[in-house]
Amino acid sequence: AQKITQTQPGMFVQEKEAVTLDCTYDTSDPSYGLFWYKQPSSGEMIFLIYQGSYDQQNATEGRYSLNFQKARKSANLVISASQLGDSAMYFCAMREGAQAGTALIFGKGTTLSVSS
Amino acid sequence: DTGVSQNPRHKITKRGQNVTFRCDPISEHNRLYWYRQTLGQGPEFLTYFQNEAQLEKSRLLSDRFSAERPKGSFSTLEIQRTEQGDSAMYLCASSPSVGFIDTQYFGPGTRLTVL
Repeated sequence: AQKITQTQPGMFVQEKEAVTLDCTYDTSDPSYGLFWYKQPSSGEMIFLIYQGSYDQQNATEGRYSLNFQKARKSANLVISASQLGDSAMYFCAMREGAQAGTALIFGKGTTLSVSS
Repeated sequence: DTGVSQNPRHKITKRGQNVTFRCDPISEHNRLYWYRQTLGQGPEFLTYFQNEAQLEKSRLLSDRFSAERPKGSFSTLEIQRTEQGDSAMYLCASSPSVGFIDTQYFGPGTRLTVL
């Protein structure tokens, strides 16, 4: 079974609109972390936002927010006021367990295209 | 604060040749990871170092692959007798030695093409 599922291969949005990228996860470990990364065409993975399994509030970082629904095991990324520079691949990832130094498990990604 | 750097950025080689990639992590980070990313997929974990100790290896890391981090600073990933299936982007990441979140910061990757 997939540990991280991103069901949207591609998403299209116009500048200044908000967009939600979906991510569901599967783990039986009560302690885990969820990450979102952006990968532009240049290839570098850029860290965007983190949500811990015990965090009571949804994480926010500037225009990025994470809609964390623990019971549904979903961690959707919301990008507000989209910009042309947001066009990229977006990956959801999970780290299982409380121990640092654990590998990230990635989904297959969603391609976001922002048009003017 | 410089980020993770990787060299070379691109490598084209013929099947059967050996290749070596280098990763320089963020200077104060003692944890280092290697991942492989094929087209249309998310990165897959290969191996993990804490300082110079290689603490975890994925089943993806066949006998033809070897990674080192001799002084706990830079790391090298060597692939011997390359095969066409080794064509991929090889990503390196590092994370700080303190803190629970353990955010991994990635380098720009080395894109390997095996002809």
